[in-house]
Amino acid sequence: DTAVSQTPKYLVTQMGNDKSIKCEQNLGHDTMYWYKQDSKKFLKIMFSYNNKELIINETVPNRFSPKSPDKAHLNLHINSLELGDSAVYFCASSQVGGINEQYFGPGTRLTVT
Amino acid sequence: QKEVEQDPGPLSVPEGAIVSLNCTYSNSAFQYFMWYRQYSRKGPELLMYTYSSGNKEDGRFTAQVDKSSKYISLFIRDSQPSDSATYLCAMTKTSGSRLTFGEGTQLTVNP
Repeated sequence: DTAVSQTPKYLVTQMGNDKSIKCEQNLGHDTMYWYKQDSKKFLKIMFSYNNKELIINETVPNRFSPKSPDKAHLNLHINSLELGDSAVYFCASSQVGGINEQYFGPGTRLTVT
Repeated sequence: QKEVEQDPGPLSVPEGAIVSLNCTYSNSAFQYFMWYRQYSRKGPELLMYTYSSGNKEDGRFTAQVDKSSKYISLFIRDSQPSDSATYLCAMTKTSGSRLTFGEGTQLTVNP
């Protein structure tokens, strides 16, 4: 059973295109996140949703737009892709309260050419 | 200045060595401290967590927090090739609030 799943796993696309990444969690968690991990392995939070409500919105270009149709899904749409968007994007989820242990998906490796 | 500093390595040790991984931080409001392990081409997974200062041991792993020095450590005893991964420290101010990650240290344990 996959706890947090992402699709696609790999995404190669050209500059200027629009693409989406999907995330689903079957853990019953209330909170979901999108992180960007660059080539140096630095993991930076982009967005967080709690029960479909946006609660964290870091300084991210507005070309990035998250959408949460329900609390088990959090998708990321990226418009007008740029070379600098190349990275691994991780989805994660956690339960409200506790130590905020976050469960991560396998990542989507985005390459913009 | 980053809130959390972690030496990215890479760190290479022989099998059986004791490994010490460290992070420093600047924000004294951090209360919960975690270590995540990330294998190549996988997502991070929580390895250990501690609350406030002190030590916590789990098998071959020991996590230490020194809040007075704003310094946390992860020790791995009798390191194994299967411990080869990137180790990320993470911390948060209150229960349930956002995590701030270190840059990650890439560890290789050679057989």
